[in-house]
Amino acid sequence: AQSVTQLDSQVPVFEEAPVELRCNYSSSVSVYLFWYVQYPNQGLQLLLKYLSGSTLVESINGFEAEFNKSQTSFHLRKPSVHISDTAEYFCAVSEIGYQKVTFGTGTKLQVIP
Amino acid sequence: DGGITQSPKYLFRKEGQNVTLSCEQNLNHDAMYWYRQDPGQGLRLIYYSQIVNDFQKGDIAEGYSVSREKKESFPLTVTSAQKNPTAFYLCASTQGVGGVEAFFGQGTRLTVV
Repeated sequence: AQSVTQLDSQVPVFEEAPVELRCNYSSSVSVYLFWYVQYPNQGLQLLLKYLSGSTLVESINGFEAEFNKSQTSFHLRKPSVHISDTAEYFCAVSEIGYQKVTFGTGTKLQVIP
Repeated sequence: DGGITQSPKYLFRKEGQNVTLSCEQNLNHDAMYWYRQDPGQGLRLIYYSQIVNDFQKGDIAEGYSVSREKKESFPLTVTSAQKNPTAFYLCASTQGVGGVEAFFGQGTRLTVV
């Protein structure tokens, strides 16, 4: 069975500083990986995804994530955060060929002015 | 614009009453999902449906029921058997099997008093 671990429940960071949100997954088969963002009292929006090809994927607002198969990780990074990045971020995994998506417990990113 | 509509956004019910949450999508997606979100627990799958007139239990189906009579609609009923129904409920949809983006509604916050 697939699983996702987000070890950090909250990450405070000063504005314009870099940030890394960690995500590790477990699966016996090949997977697709996702990062979603959730603003307060809203649904989730896809931030970026890894399906195949280049292990480094980027979003339109400066986030990037790197798929590391040997370490079973898909950490999310941004070199310089903005106040508007304050939100909760969820890592998710989907085993190839299966419909089910499993989400991590989420990491709240708090950007401090 | 295509998307998923959940209604209502906020819902209050007395303990012991059944309540139905609405989820409608105009994305022509085959699969639809219901998740429950509680602080610090991520998203937990309640039920999902891959095709009309068929649905499967997720990880926490007890106390909930669903129907899928139309492709675009997937209502969730929270019954009186659900021990702790107060939560944020999210509906999502996907097209295809695995590795595809999940589109989410804006959520319904249910409070049982």
